[in-house]
Amino acid sequence: DIQMTQSPSFLSASVGDKVTFTCQASHDIHKFLNWYQQKPGKAPKLLITEASNLQSGVPSRFSGSGSGTDFTFTITGLQPEDIATYFCQQYDRLLSFGGGTKVDLK
Amino acid sequence: QVQLQESGPGRVKPSQTLSLTCTVSDDAIRIGSYYWNWLRQPAGKGLEWIGRIYTSGNTDYNSSLKSRVSISLDTSKSQLSLKLDSVTAADTAVYYCAREVFGVRTDFFDSWGQGALVTVSS
Repeated sequence: DIQMTQSPSFLSASVGDKVTFTCQASHDIHKFLNWYQQKPGKAPKLLITEASNLQSGVPSRFSGSGSGTDFTFTITGLQPEDIATYFCQQYDRLLSFGGGTKVDLK
Repeated sequence: QVQLQESGPGRVKPSQTLSLTCTVSDDAIRIGSYYWNWLRQPAGKGLEWIGRIYTSGNTDYNSSLKSRVSISLDTSKSQLSLKLDSVTAADTAVYYCAREVFGVRTDFFDSWGQGALVTVSS
């Protein structure tokens, strides 16, 4: 099984800040990684596929990078509506998720 | 846009079997090539993938749950089902059904149900 580790599990930032967090895979997953945003009481929403491909309609302040075992998610210019938990998910060998990074306002 | 809706008991006693159904709108379950998935999320925690079933009926399961879980598809009713045996308090979670779209290099969940809270308690 592929284990996904996200860090940090929680971060606090101000509106307009650049926010970055990471996801590490236990095995090489190439670029087979998605990023989802989840708000309280809601199902996750897909933001990025194949490590860096922004989904249609997703604001360009969101971006992703990485390959192999190390991946990064960035919000350039944090907005109040970005307060949520973000999950990475690999699809190289079956499916598995990271534990999430909760983003809150300072 | 396909709609998914989970249904089933909100409370299950320890050692019993958790059973949930997901009803899919229109003919989405019969049309196209998708995986139909079950996932869960304990309160305040991360997402756990439980397993999936392909339109053809082939299944894949999370190895940590494989001995206790069964997913099936009833295309005549546009439903997929989840059964989880021998539940404990650790199985208390919001359970989601979701449609998985896949291609040569992409594979993602594009549609989700609203989630169903299942509490394991006597």
